[in-house]
Amino acid sequence: DTAVSQTPKYLVTQMGNDKSIKCEQNLGHDTMYWYKQDSKKFLKIMFSYNNKELIINETVPNRFSPKSPDKAHLNLHINSLELGDSAVYFCASSQEGTSAYEQYFGPGTRLTVT
Amino acid sequence: AQTVTQSQPEMSVQEAETVTLSCTYDTSESDYYLFWYKQPPSRQMILVIRQEAYKQQNATENRFSVNFQKAAKSFSLKISDSQLGDAAMYFCAYRSFGGNKLVFGAGTILRVKS
Repeated sequence: DTAVSQTPKYLVTQMGNDKSIKCEQNLGHDTMYWYKQDSKKFLKIMFSYNNKELIINETVPNRFSPKSPDKAHLNLHINSLELGDSAVYFCASSQEGTSAYEQYFGPGTRLTVT
Repeated sequence: AQTVTQSQPEMSVQEAETVTLSCTYDTSESDYYLFWYKQPPSRQMILVIRQEAYKQQNATENRFSVNFQKAAKSFSLKISDSQLGDAAMYFCAYRSFGGNKLVFGAGTILRVKS
């Protein structure tokens, strides 16, 4: 069973469109994240949710809106897509309060905006 | 704010040889976690090894070991007996104790020659 899954894995869309990326984890973790990896492979945190509550929002444009319907899911909705949004988006999860604090990553979603 | 620096954009190693990837970080905190993640061409982020800052003993996972120098804020990764499957981008990452987000370095591409 896949621990952290994302759909879709590839997404090609035009500027101005609205799209969503879904993430699900079956690890029983209480914290989930979205990271963005740009064309230079640089990885940066975007959002973090703990038990459905937003705890990190790293100066991301408000066109990006995360939604956590329950602690196993964290979706990312992007409005009015721009060329600069092209990147790989990774979902991750972790269990807070454990000594390891490891984050488990999904396979990534490659978003291409044309 | 914490920063992580990987000064080697690219490294090469001969199969069966040993290679060391460098990582330095900047923080004013005394408790934190450090990680090395591997990203092969499949783009999946795979945790290689982790180190708790309060532990003086360097972490080891099979062929992978770290040299953690807390005073120097250095956290290098040594890969022994390099294999073709080790070829990937390697990211060093920092996480505050009690914090949530990972702060990544820019990555080092490791090429393994047969």
